Order: sequence, then C-alpha cells, then structure tokens
Amino acid sequence: DQQVKQNSPSLSVQEGRISILNCDYTNSMFDYFLWYKKYPAEGPTFLISISSIKDKNEDGRFTVFLNKSAKHLSLHIVPSQPGDSAVYFCAACSYNNNDMRFGAGTRLTVKP
Amino acid sequence: DAGVIQSPRHEVTEMGQEVTLRCKPISGHDYLFWYRQTMMRGLELLIYFNNNVPIDDSGMPEDRFSAKMPNASFSTLKIQPSEPRDSAVYFCASSFYYHRETQYFGPGTRLLVL
Repeated sequence: DQQVKQNSPSLSVQEGRISILNCDYTNSMFDYFLWYKKYPAEGPTFLISISSIKDKNEDGRFTVFLNKSAKHLSLHIVPSQPGDSAVYFCAACSYNNNDMRFGAGTRLTVKP
Repeated sequence: DAGVIQSPRHEVTEMGQEVTLRCKPISGHDYLFWYRQTMMRGLELLIYFNNNVPIDDSGMPEDRFSAKMPNASFSTLKIQPSEPRDSAVYFCASSFYYHRETQYFGPGTRLLVL
C-alpha cells in the first residue's frame, strides 16, 4: 500500500519562478518528513526535512511546509534554477521507528 | 572517500537466473541499507544492517531475495530465481548512525529481467 503519494509525476517551470512539489501521506503515525533530490545515474541525496512539531522549515531557496491535519507537505523552491531539474522524492517515517516510506517521485524540469 | 560503490551498474538477465548485486559502503559507516526503486512504488526499503547484522528485513519481498554483509566493507543482495517483476533500480546506502539525513546513496544498479 502506498502510504506516501506524490500525485504529480512531472512538473515544468520557468527559471526564476516558484516550483511547488506536493506530497500526501496516509499514516498518522508519521512524524518526520524528508525530501530527497535525485539526478540521473546518481543516488538520491538528502535535501531538507521537517519534524511534525513544526509547520515550516527553510533552507536557502528550499522551504518545506507541513499541514498535519491534511496529511500534506510541499516543497517550495524559489527561485527555481535549471540546476534544480531532477527527480524529487518525498519520504515519511516515525522518528522512533526505522520504517521510512518514499513516494514515487516528481520529475522537475526548470526551463531557462 | 569514493562514496558508496555499487556493482554492476547495469544488469540484464533472463528469468530464472541468479542475480547478485554488490555494495561497498563508505568506510566507517555502520549502517547499510538496500532499497528498490520502481515507477509504481517509488523507493522501498528492503533490508538494513547495523554492524554487519541484519536488523530489519521486513521489506524483502519474497524468499527469492536474500542479503548478506560478511564484513563492514561489503554487502550483497541476491535474487534467485529472478523474475521480470524484479526489474527495478536497486540502491545501496550507508550511514554513520541511523539518521535518515545522513544516508549516502550509491548510484544504483539498474536490473532488467527478461
């Protein structure tokens, strides 16, 4: 069963604009969420995370928002750059549990 | 450090054949993870080791899958016999301690079972 869903397989934005990647989860036990970025022929790399005690975490151009009541999180990239073009995975887990679940990924293309 | 090394990078085999995927974690890391990526299910954790000992293999799909870590610098994931539905990208990751952000992923092995 897909406990973490990324319903948009792809997203295309213009350079300089905002990219918004969405993620939904079903397991209310999840209390820690992460975003990974993956370039072709490489493994995923950690990008940003958020704990359920927060609703926002910011790191430079990247901000993750968490809406616990809606079981929804999003990753905002502002401004988007061509180098941000990659596949982005959302992941969720219980901090005291070793079970981390990933979404299927969203391919972001940033056009110059 | 060269990072997590996986071999082969690509593997094409026929149904019923044995497949062995290999991983060399980053030196000093005491956790090692095997993941599988498919279009439908995204990234799934198959099994992870701590200090060469398997801790959680609940993600291993079937008895056809087995993983070993004979020493701190080497792990294998074996599929025997392989089936077309095993076609996926298999990632190995390692970390210094069990903390998701510190997992370093290898480049993956793309497996195609015909």
